[in-house]
Amino acid sequence: EPEVTQTPSHQVTQMGQEVILRCVPISNHLYFYWYRQILGQKVEFLVSFYNNEISEKSEIFDDQFSVERPDGSNFTLKIRSTKLEDSAMYFCASRGDPSTNIREKLFFGSGTQLSVL
Amino acid sequence: LAKTTQPISMDSYEGQEVNITCSHNNIATNDYITWYQQFPSQGPRFIIQGYKTKVTNEVASLFIPADRKSSTLSLPRVSLSDTAVYYCLVGGLIKAAGNKLTFGGGTRVLVKP
Repeated sequence: EPEVTQTPSHQVTQMGQEVILRCVPISNHLYFYWYRQILGQKVEFLVSFYNNEISEKSEIFDDQFSVERPDGSNFTLKIRSTKLEDSAMYFCASRGDPSTNIREKLFFGSGTQLSVL
Repeated sequence: LAKTTQPISMDSYEGQEVNITCSHNNIATNDYITWYQQFPSQGPRFIIQGYKTKVTNEVASLFIPADRKSSTLSLPRVSLSDTAVYYCLVGGLIKAAGNKLTFGGGTRVLVKP
């Protein structure tokens, strides 16, 4: 089965630093997402991206966050001036053609564990 | 989006069938019911999806009654490796902008030897 790839698997940073989390979605997918999961808590939606622009974002996704699809394969999440509470597992996900029979089937990556010290 | 309610946790033993029921009283006409599985330190993984009646695949079965206000995920003959969190999600037709998935708390299933 095709996979969503995320790098790095672990990222440690100092509070106030900027981090970029990288994702390679499945190649023919059209919709891209970032989710996060704080340890022991539920998976939270951050942002969805389609046609080179943000289509929806949550209240968590404030000016500190940005997303970009710099080329045809990568999808990145930038967190500026990281805070302690940004420590979490960040998941990238992608979804394909909506005309398929399976709706809402997202493919998730294995995540990047971000630790802000 | 329809809100879902699931048990927080369930324990089972190897070889048993596990049934997890999800309530979604406010499900809309065009909503589908989808279940995901999440192992520790991994992203959620799609298990099964249905709209009504029964759906079965190589991993699980999904039972949806006629009123669609609940659904039951059935895992036959579980093994230790089925220990995970299982999420029930309800969502509508895909729009051009793409629907987000909203995860609830999920059901933590522990399979014991």
